[in-house]
Amino acid sequence: NAGVMQNPRHLVRRRGQEARLRCSPMKGHSHVYWYRQLPEEGLKFMVYLQKENIIDESGMPKERFSAEFPKEGPSILRIQQVVRGDSAAYFCASSPAQGFGGELFFGEGSRLTVL
Amino acid sequence: AQTVTQSQPEMSVQEAETVTLSCTYDTSESNYYLFWYKQPPSRQMILVIRQEAYKQQNATENRFSVNFQKAAKSFSLKISDSQLGDTAMYFCAFITGTASKLTFGTGTRLQVTL
Repeated sequence: NAGVMQNPRHLVRRRGQEARLRCSPMKGHSHVYWYRQLPEEGLKFMVYLQKENIIDESGMPKERFSAEFPKEGPSILRIQQVVRGDSAAYFCASSPAQGFGGELFFGEGSRLTVL
Repeated sequence: AQTVTQSQPEMSVQEAETVTLSCTYDTSESNYYLFWYKQPPSRQMILVIRQEAYKQQNATENRFSVNFQKAAKSFSLKISDSQLGDTAMYFCAFITGTASKLTFGTGTRLQVTL
């Protein structure tokens, strides 16, 4: 049973380019969460999605960031017109139900570097 | 606002010794879960231990145990018989019944030495 799969593991972009990060949840999990970790900081919640629905996007920056979890395929976190401050590790987690009380299973993260 | 505070940015412990990492949190809700996650240099987030707030008994997982003081909103992690493989960042986190997201502390970097 494969764990949460994130790709790419490392992504380098120049300022102004777009970054797309993918997350395939564990088999049987329909809830996906994205977190961002800046250097030397803890993880900060960004967005919580179920299939075809954004449930909570209270942690998402208002501009340039979007997320989706289509009926088929992985969840995508998209960052348009990246800036240096977007450099961070982006973690995806999944759960079979809403995370309350249950363990979130984390992927290994995608490290974005903006030059 | 819900917050988690880890007041020890770095700690060091000798192999085979015991170390305690502190964590305090703030929430107005009575129903919640608390977690300790480990992040080794590989950066994978690994769940170490979980505590249900409605349970008075402290959770234990092998060498890892917690001291949960609900009234004081304190949730410390004790690592017994420390091993070199315990070297990692440790994050305290919690989630409430009405929330959909984990709130993390800023972490404690633990170094286990020979």
